[in-house]
Amino acid sequence: DAMVIQNPRYQVTQFGKPVTLSCSQTLNHNVMYWYQQKSSQAPKLLFHYYDKDFNNEADTPDNFQSRRPNTSFCFLDIRSPGLGDAAMYLCATSRGQGEYTEAFFGQGTRLTVV
Amino acid sequence: AQSVTQLDSQVPVFEEAPVELRCNYSSSVSVYLFWYVQYPNQGLQLLLKYLSGSTLVESINGFEAEFNKSQTSFHLRKPSVHISDTAEYFCAVRGKGGGNKLTFGTGTQLKVEL
Repeated sequence: DAMVIQNPRYQVTQFGKPVTLSCSQTLNHNVMYWYQQKSSQAPKLLFHYYDKDFNNEADTPDNFQSRRPNTSFCFLDIRSPGLGDAAMYLCATSRGQGEYTEAFFGQGTRLTVV
Repeated sequence: AQSVTQLDSQVPVFEEAPVELRCNYSSSVSVYLFWYVQYPNQGLQLLLKYLSGSTLVESINGFEAEFNKSQTSFHLRKPSVHISDTAEYFCAVRGKGGGNKLTFGTGTQLKVEL
């Protein structure tokens, strides 16, 4: 089945140690998103790629970066994770950004910072 | 910009009882409306959506939501819940013409008890 896959499902990293989260998709969608969801909070958009064009949300910390080497893969890099970065990270995709598109989400990666 | 308010953080209900999860939104432009469901340690799954047409939309598992423009609401209802409906439910909006950026509410935890 076509889907959005996030690896790993659970990631433990040390305070200040760079970490990379991975997202792949078989839907051939041209838009990919990264959301951060802290405990008991709403998912919050960090940034998205429209094809190769990177779009950063205004309040996304510089500590968060992203790479999209091709249509299928997108990575979230946290350069120096702090305790406050512990969260569920959700990847989503959509086919374009037209009126009737919808976003498809992966199962998320739960990041723990120790 | 848009915002979403889900006033109820938790809703306990007995199995086979009806339930309503409330969602109100604020937006300066017309919106599309969505309900997503999240099971423990899982990603978000689209439950139902309102894009245009009939203001009453239904999901395949018995949920329905009605778009009320005058009250800026999109409440989710089910006439008879099942244990398997226990999950967190997120209401989300997307502004028309604003790409595919979703703004989520803080979620409502539905707990179905025997």
